[in-house]
Amino acid sequence: SQQGEEDPQALSIQEGENATMNCSYKTSINNLQWYRQNSGRGLVHLILIRSNEREKHSGRLRVTLDTSKKSSSLLITASRAADTASYFCATASNNNDMRFGAGTRLTVKP
Amino acid sequence: NAGVTQTPKFQVLKTGQSMTLQCAQDMNHNSMYWYRQDPGMGLRLIYYSASEGTTDKGEVPNGYNVSRLNKREFSLRLESAAPSQTSVYFCASSEVGGGYSPLHFGNGTRLTVT
Repeated sequence: SQQGEEDPQALSIQEGENATMNCSYKTSINNLQWYRQNSGRGLVHLILIRSNEREKHSGRLRVTLDTSKKSSSLLITASRAADTASYFCATASNNNDMRFGAGTRLTVKP
Repeated sequence: NAGVTQTPKFQVLKTGQSMTLQCAQDMNHNSMYWYRQDPGMGLRLIYYSASEGTTDKGEVPNGYNVSRLNKREFSLRLESAAPSQTSVYFCASSEVGGGYSPLHFGNGTRLTVT
């Protein structure tokens, strides 16, 4: 079964608004990563947050991690039409495999 | 740098046929992965290779075999294709495993089994 589960499954917002996506996972993790996928393409890495970190920023992206609740959130501020994509969280435990959730499909309307 | 290169980009097979999906990376990464993605779903791990010479099963290994030919190349073989294996296949690599470094993905192979 997949390790991470994103919520919501789909999100539609207007350009300029903020978008928040959540990820829950089941077992203890080493780190958590967020990826973006444009339609028909491979995934692109956005940000990695280590298990001992609580928050991390990269440009318009803000990621939080709560290991006690086994959850993470990805916030995209001041969204743009070009942010339209699917977003996935991925986790790895003590073995070396990386497992992904089902993703959140974000639509940003101009 | 090309990054992660997958071949072919598209393939149509008949039930029972076999084929090998090729993947190569030029980033000197130690770990490599094969995923499948079905419509509206996330990626499911088929097999991974933490380092040259090792391979391990992921979530959905049945019906597949892999070979880590050398540090650069990681191939996925379907011995007897089934319609349930219709999917988009992604290869990825990372400097190290365990989630400690980002994965770099190829652009995928779209496989249809009729």
